[in-house]
Amino acid sequence: AQSVTQLDSQVPVFEEAPVELRCNYSSSVSVYLFWYVQYPNQGLQLLLKYLSGSTLVKGINGFEAEFNKSQTSFHLRKPSVHISDTAEYFCALLRAGGFKTIFGAGTRLFVKA
Amino acid sequence: DAGVIQSPRHEVTEMGQEVTLRCKPISGHNSLFWYRQTMMRGLELLIYFNNNVPIDDSGMPEDRFSAKMPNASFSTLKIQPSEPRDSAVYFCASSSVAGGPNNEQFFGPGTRLTVL
Repeated sequence: AQSVTQLDSQVPVFEEAPVELRCNYSSSVSVYLFWYVQYPNQGLQLLLKYLSGSTLVKGINGFEAEFNKSQTSFHLRKPSVHISDTAEYFCALLRAGGFKTIFGAGTRLFVKA
Repeated sequence: DAGVIQSPRHEVTEMGQEVTLRCKPISGHNSLFWYRQTMMRGLELLIYFNNNVPIDDSGMPEDRFSAKMPNASFSTLKIQPSEPRDSAVYFCASSSVAGGPNNEQFFGPGTRLTVL
């Protein structure tokens, strides 16, 4: 079975500061990894995804994530956040060949002025 | 492209009433997912359709819940009878590929259901 653990439920940060949202996963088979963002009162939208190849993945809005197989992690980073980045962020995985995306519990990023 | 369309956006009903949530997936997408989101349980997959056929409904919590997809452009999620613990935000999502690395799901804005 696969699982996703987001280590922080809330992350407050000041505007223009760097941020890292942590995600660990568990799987005995190959998986694809995703980060989705949910703005208030909206559905989720894809930020970035790791399929294979380079372990550093760049996404929209200046976010990037690094796949670390030995540590089974897929942490999301941004060097300088904006107020508009305030949202909930979900780490997710999909078993290779599967259809069921498994979502983490979410991390609420709150950017303060 | 209008994206995934859900209606209604908000629904308030009384315990015991029937509730029907509607979803129109993105044109051309052949996979459709219904999710429920609550503070306590996070995002849960309820049911998944591929080419209008239910593939996995193991996430449907009880027999009170049912979902249909009569054609490629419309799906419903029905709760009958509704209970207060069904209060949640229900999301519909669609995808152009059933599984695989390009299985990016496009989510609708959700229906916020409150059962009194």
